[in-house]
Amino acid sequence: EAGVAQSPRYKIIEKRQSVAFWCNPISGHATLYWYQQILGQGPKLLIQFQNNGVVDDSQLPKDRFSAERLKGVDSTLKIQPAKLEDSAVYLCASSQRTGGNSPLHFGNGTRLTVT
Amino acid sequence: SQQGEEDPQALSIQEGENATMNCSYKTSINNLQWYRQNSGRGLVHLILIRSNEREKHSGRLRVTLDTSKKSSSLLITASRAADTASYFCATHLQGAQKLVFGQGTRLTINP
Repeated sequence: EAGVAQSPRYKIIEKRQSVAFWCNPISGHATLYWYQQILGQGPKLLIQFQNNGVVDDSQLPKDRFSAERLKGVDSTLKIQPAKLEDSAVYLCASSQRTGGNSPLHFGNGTRLTVT
Repeated sequence: SQQGEEDPQALSIQEGENATMNCSYKTSINNLQWYRQNSGRGLVHLILIRSNEREKHSGRLRVTLDTSKKSSSLLITASRAADTASYFCATHLQGAQKLVFGQGTRLTINP
């Protein structure tokens, strides 16, 4: 089966600019996750979708971050405006069942550098 | 807040030796999962162990779970250079619908 696809692979922007990341999950996976991974740390969940509904966005900085999953398939994560502390790898993952009951399949991530 | 904490933070061993990593957590779980991350790549799922299980094996991997001590260990036997990676435990908390990852153990296998 094809894996989780993410683009772009790398992105460099200046602070206060906006940026968007795209993710296409494994076909048939109802649950989609966006994680933020700062260098040297474990992934932190930003938002979790079940089909096109939000299950958990408690750690999403909603004043600058937004995410959508139209039609319950692919998803975009946007940051506007970006801050220096947003520099991280943004990982998308999908799973067959919701929230921890089955393994997560990760994409290779988008490495964001904010200067 | 961090749920799972791995120990040690970094581990360096010789090829062929066994590597053991530990994970401790704070609250009751439904399951615990281990993932591997190679440099510059996404995480890859290794093993899922449920709260009513005590031990699981997959190839050279052995995972144990002690719910009374709220801890798990990952053993990699006969290590290879290709096992060099970061290893993360992730806990599925009871009453929650998400996985919470620890900070990881960075494993280096020296040839």
